[in-house]
Amino acid sequence: KAGVTQTPRYLIKTRGQQVTLSCSPISGHRSVSWYQQTPGQGLQFLFEYFSETQRNKGNFPGRFSGRQFSNSRSEMNVSTLELGDSALYLCASSLEGRGRFSTEAFFGQGTRLTVV
Amino acid sequence: AQSVTQLGSHVSVSEGALVLLRCNYSSSVPPYLFWYVQYPNQGLQLLLKYTSAATLVKGINGFEAEFKKSETSFHLTKPSAHMSDAAEYFCAVSEGSGGGADGLTFGKGTHLIIQP
Repeated sequence: KAGVTQTPRYLIKTRGQQVTLSCSPISGHRSVSWYQQTPGQGLQFLFEYFSETQRNKGNFPGRFSGRQFSNSRSEMNVSTLELGDSALYLCASSLEGRGRFSTEAFFGQGTRLTVV
Repeated sequence: AQSVTQLGSHVSVSEGALVLLRCNYSSSVPPYLFWYVQYPNQGLQLLLKYTSAATLVKGINGFEAEFKKSETSFHLTKPSAHMSDAAEYFCAVSEGSGGGADGLTFGKGTHLIIQP
């Protein structure tokens, strides 16, 4: 069974540009969440999608957006990149993502974004 | 609002010694608690989770954690450290999920160093 796949693994962008990152969840998983990981702020929740709808959102500016497709694959977009956006972006998928008996979240290897 | 504090950004133990990684949480409702491990250039892997079924939780790779409500703690232990345990460990709390990745709040992480 394939794990969570994130593409690309590494990315270098220039300030002011925009970037799109992709996440393919484990087959059958309907919940996809995104996290930003930096040395200074650690792991921070960006947003979660379930059945193509954003169900939860963290405290990030509107430059960060995402979407989910009917096959549960998800993309996140960052517009007008800033140097501080340099980070490891992690995607996680789970079957449901909610509820007492919901299942484990599986993380991808991440996309390392460097803004220069 | 939920929060997690991990005491000690770096912990060093000798191979074969006891591993103890500390985690304290703050939550306005009974929490779900998790420990994740991250190896270099990898995503996060779930070690174990507490969802109120039992206060002592056993996880993978010989790790276990005990939920202590009176101390608001969820410390991670392993009786005998192995060189392969060297990694970054994250404690996380969720108020709205039993296991999925939506809205997880992570601690800053503890880097575990194993001395030969």
